[in-house]
Amino acid sequence: EAQVTQNPRYLITVTGKKLTVTCSQNMNHEYMSWYRQDPGLGLRQIYYSMNVEVTDKGDVPEGYKVSRKEKRNFPLILESPSPNQTSLYFCASSFISSQPQHFGDGTRLSIL
Amino acid sequence: DQQVKQNSPSLSVQEGRISILNCDYTNSMFDYFLWYKKYPAEGPTFLISISSIKDKNEDGRFTVFLNKSAKHLSLHIVPSQPGDSAVYFCAASATGANSKLTFGKGITLSVRP
Repeated sequence: EAQVTQNPRYLITVTGKKLTVTCSQNMNHEYMSWYRQDPGLGLRQIYYSMNVEVTDKGDVPEGYKVSRKEKRNFPLILESPSPNQTSLYFCASSFISSQPQHFGDGTRLSIL
Repeated sequence: DQQVKQNSPSLSVQEGRISILNCDYTNSMFDYFLWYKKYPAEGPTFLISISSIKDKNEDGRFTVFLNKSAKHLSLHIVPSQPGDSAVYFCAASATGANSKLTFGKGITLSVRP
């Protein structure tokens, strides 16, 4: 089954404690992206990757890092999480950036 | 500056009637538009898209209309069903090597039985 898998689905943690949200897709997609969804703000892109070893900032990259060492994986790293990063995060993938993207089921992060 | 706007946060319609969800955009470079549907505790799923070379695209009960001069698109659902109750996101992109999707804030559709 074609899917985008995110882990963990839920996480409550404290300010400053590094965390990583993993994202994996099994569709051989080249394009992958991270979004955050906040009330009243919709979906905003954090980072994206056009292909392996190619990443770039989206609209709200501050406080986040990503890496793309393999085509299927695109982890989101919060080196020093802060409460304003409490949000619902989605990973997505597609063959190319302009095609409809497949989304994971989301990761709800709470930073205390 | 919000480039994709969904100005109505919610819409409630009776089962069997038409649902019309509106979306406006400001960036004249946008040439590809999509609608996503999102249920609680799930990720958005692609619903329907339209290229700027068309003014209408239909898929079953779902039709998207594009008015380029007005920079406006709308999603029509006919007939509406209770299972259509969800959040609907409008998104747009511009052709280019690094094109990306820009999303609206979403609209919550409730279909009353």
